[in-house]
Amino acid sequence: GENVEQHPSTLSVQEGDSAVIKCTYSDSASNYFPWYKQELGKGPQLIIDIRSNVGEKKDQRIAVTLNKTAKHFSLHITETQPEDSAVYFCAASRGGYQKVTFGTGTKLQVIP
Amino acid sequence: DTAVSQTPKYLVTQMGNDKSIKCEQNLGHDTMYWYKQDSKKFLKIMFSYNNKELIINETVPNRFSPKSPDKAHLNLHINSLELGDSAVYFCASSSAGGENEQYFGPGTRLTVT
Repeated sequence: GENVEQHPSTLSVQEGDSAVIKCTYSDSASNYFPWYKQELGKGPQLIIDIRSNVGEKKDQRIAVTLNKTAKHFSLHITETQPEDSAVYFCAASRGGYQKVTFGTGTKLQVIP
Repeated sequence: DTAVSQTPKYLVTQMGNDKSIKCEQNLGHDTMYWYKQDSKKFLKIMFSYNNKELIINETVPNRFSPKSPDKAHLNLHINSLELGDSAVYFCASSSAGGENEQYFGPGTRLTVT
């Protein structure tokens, strides 16, 4: 089955700096890669996703890159703000009705 | 309006008891899920239903029994609760399977003493 590894497990950055979270996956058939943000006491919420026919996707301060050959994908947050502090999860899926496998999470702390 | 709701939000119970968690979504989605999040925040799928039919069962002990009376509801019943069942349980829904955004409920924190 799919195995998704995520690094780092914790990340502290100064407000205004960039944050990068990296994930690798094992199943070459995976073609859908979402990223979720989980704030304290809440359920995860999708922030961006990318499909295997795309190498990069950007949405305001958030961008995701995908390297299918190397089987890794990354989340980039620029100009971080205190409200970006949360746990971030990467995930991978084959699509269809196949399960979504989540990474182990990264706790991001943005220091004002 | 809440998109995915769960009740109760907190559940404290003793070992050996049986308990249920209810989930409802008003998004018109046809796929619903149960996830377990342990103390280390690891998020693992337990079950997935599509139009009331079970499509994913991830080696969960048979003490856990999901039930979907209709495609807007997915309940989770747990028999003979154990200490290791303590976790946060999330319900989620999506429009069609694993390649679309999943909307998560607020979670149910289960504590077994």
